[in-house]
Amino acid sequence: DAKTTQPNSMESNEEEPVHLPCNHSTISGTDYIHWYRQLPSQGPEYVIHGLTSNVNNRMASLAIAEDRKSSTLILHRATLRDAAVYYCILGGSGGSNYKLTFGKGTLLTVNP
Amino acid sequence: GAVVSQHPSWVICKSGTSVKIECRSLDFQATTMFWYRQFPKQSLMLMATSNEGSKATYEQGVEKDKFLINHASLTLSTLTVTSAHPEDSSFYICSATRRLAGGRGTDTQYFGPGTRLTVL
Repeated sequence: DAKTTQPNSMESNEEEPVHLPCNHSTISGTDYIHWYRQLPSQGPEYVIHGLTSNVNNRMASLAIAEDRKSSTLILHRATLRDAAVYYCILGGSGGSNYKLTFGKGTLLTVNP
Repeated sequence: GAVVSQHPSWVICKSGTSVKIECRSLDFQATTMFWYRQFPKQSLMLMATSNEGSKATYEQGVEKDKFLINHASLTLSTLTVTSAHPEDSSFYICSATRRLAGGRGTDTQYFGPGTRLTVL
């Protein structure tokens, strides 16, 4: 499985933007970039995913480097509810080929 | 949205007993369901991949006779921990990919809230 590298932890202030980086230098041409987050004692929550182009949804934006070897999850205005472990995962698309291998993720702390 | 539920949310059992955990997709049909477990302060580890009507595919190191998976329908998968021991105490989480027309799954996995298993 292609691996990702994320900082162990990051800190942000409430209402400020947060940029969570992820390196995936061994990404293959068919790998999607997925982001999930997990609050304590809960199952992971889908955030966003993309293949080549930048993506936006109501939760966040995903900026993908042109060579696809890195990406950045952008939370436009952090709230206290955004404090979680954020996982950047490479995976396939659809059905049983779609396996997610979770790394250690980035623990995001949001200060009031 | 796509909602996945798990039951029970927590369970305490005696060593040697079996425990069944249910995973349901409430508002969609699931092409594939996955079972993970997570030990304290660690990341999720995939245990097995389950497709409706077929045998589950287990990850290396996961005992298929100990962790029985039944995927009876497109909305229900169960994980039975047989002869549970204290080292099986963990947070068990399921996920599902939504089935689209033509049988293909979506690109998104939807996760359940997890089941906390404590074996005494």
